[in-house]
Amino acid sequence: ETGVTQSPTHLIKTRGQQVTLRCSSQSGHNTVSWYQQALGQGPQFIFQYYREEENGRGNFPPRFSGLQFPNYSSELNVNALELDDSALYLCASTQFRTGTNYGYTFGSGTRLTVV
Amino acid sequence: QKEVEQDPGPLSVPEGAIVSLNCTYSNSAFQYFMWYRQYSRKGPELLMYTYSSGNKEDGRFTAQVDKSSKYISLFIRDSQPSDSATYLCAMIPPMVGSQGNLIFGKGTKLSVKP
Repeated sequence: ETGVTQSPTHLIKTRGQQVTLRCSSQSGHNTVSWYQQALGQGPQFIFQYYREEENGRGNFPPRFSGLQFPNYSSELNVNALELDDSALYLCASTQFRTGTNYGYTFGSGTRLTVV
Repeated sequence: QKEVEQDPGPLSVPEGAIVSLNCTYSNSAFQYFMWYRQYSRKGPELLMYTYSSGNKEDGRFTAQVDKSSKYISLFIRDSQPSDSATYLCAMIPPMVGSQGNLIFGKGTKLSVKP
């Protein structure tokens, strides 16, 4: 059973540019969430995708957008990068079922630096 | 006031010590509580999750929830250098469709010295 894999592991971008981060969910998982973790902080929820649709969003502006594909993999896109977007971006997956299922598996993240 | 408060530490203990990690929260409607461990340059790894008040034990780890005080704890017995990591508490708000929205504390950095 493979875990959650994210690519790339590190990325440096210039302010104003756009970036796409990728995530392959764990085998058997159909739901993907994205988190932003600034240095010294806990992860903050960006959004979640289930059945290729966004079904929950945190307090992030529209320039943060995403996609989920039929194989349950996902992308996070960030437009018009700002210096404050520098962070570790984490992807987490789970098998969503009605009721309780909080067994989220996290990837190792993509470290984004905006200069 | 933040929804989840956690002392960032750092916390340094000798090998074999009992470690106590704590979080407080403000929303009395939270029902699911989790502890994650995050090693440097890695993603968080789920250690324990509990529902409602009470204790849950798994090996050297015990998670405790006191809903009346809005306080959760993680105890680590016989701590090992391999336990050195950042420990994050997390909770889920009781909203429909919110299962993905884990609300994390800042994390407590623990160092266990041999």
